[in-house]
Amino acid sequence: QQQVKQSPQSLIVQKGGISIINCAYENTAFDYFPWYQQFPGKGPALLIAIRPDVSEKKEGRFTISFNKSAKQFSLHIMDSQPGDSATYFCAASTNFGNEKLTFGTGTRLTIIP
Amino acid sequence: EPEVTQTPSHQVTQMGQEVILRCVPISNHLYFYWYRQILGQKVEFLVSFYNNEISEKSEIFDDQFSVERPDGSNFTLKIRSTKLEDSAMYFCASRTPAGGYTFGSGTRLTVV
Repeated sequence: QQQVKQSPQSLIVQKGGISIINCAYENTAFDYFPWYQQFPGKGPALLIAIRPDVSEKKEGRFTISFNKSAKQFSLHIMDSQPGDSATYFCAASTNFGNEKLTFGTGTRLTIIP
Repeated sequence: EPEVTQTPSHQVTQMGQEVILRCVPISNHLYFYWYRQILGQKVEFLVSFYNNEISEKSEIFDDQFSVERPDGSNFTLKIRSTKLEDSAMYFCASRTPAGGYTFGSGTRLTVV
């Protein structure tokens, strides 16, 4: 019940296109859903996060869509750029992020020219 | 921007040896964590630490593991007798009560 399932495992998108990564969870106690970006040899860096009282959050080219009833959330990267090529992890936590993070399995995103 | 600093960046050790991974969290953060990432796999929670004691640990964090904050700035993870399956990237993270996590760049531990 603590799992967070992430898909796809890898994604190739053309420059300027939209990258979409999906996650699903089972634990209804989760109330904080961040996305992390990880470059090779670096730690995960917080990209954007959402709480279940809203269905969408946008920061620049990055948008989280959240569907509470389906227990799903997704990351959309608009106008994808080669610099966005990285591994993306969704995660979930309880107590509004004050507890441990449970990570998804990661998506390796490659943006091609 | 404040950073979580981890040393060393890469540690190679023989099976059965003890290793200590070091972290300097962000100075005003109160909550500290260790996570690990086996190559190509997801990031997994190991342990959380608050107010000088462990607040939660995973089933991975068995008796071979220990954490310490010896001097108010460093936060260490000790593995007493390393096994081949301990080979992974180990990430330290810290956060404020209201803020998100900040992760360090990790220590790559290779057990041979």
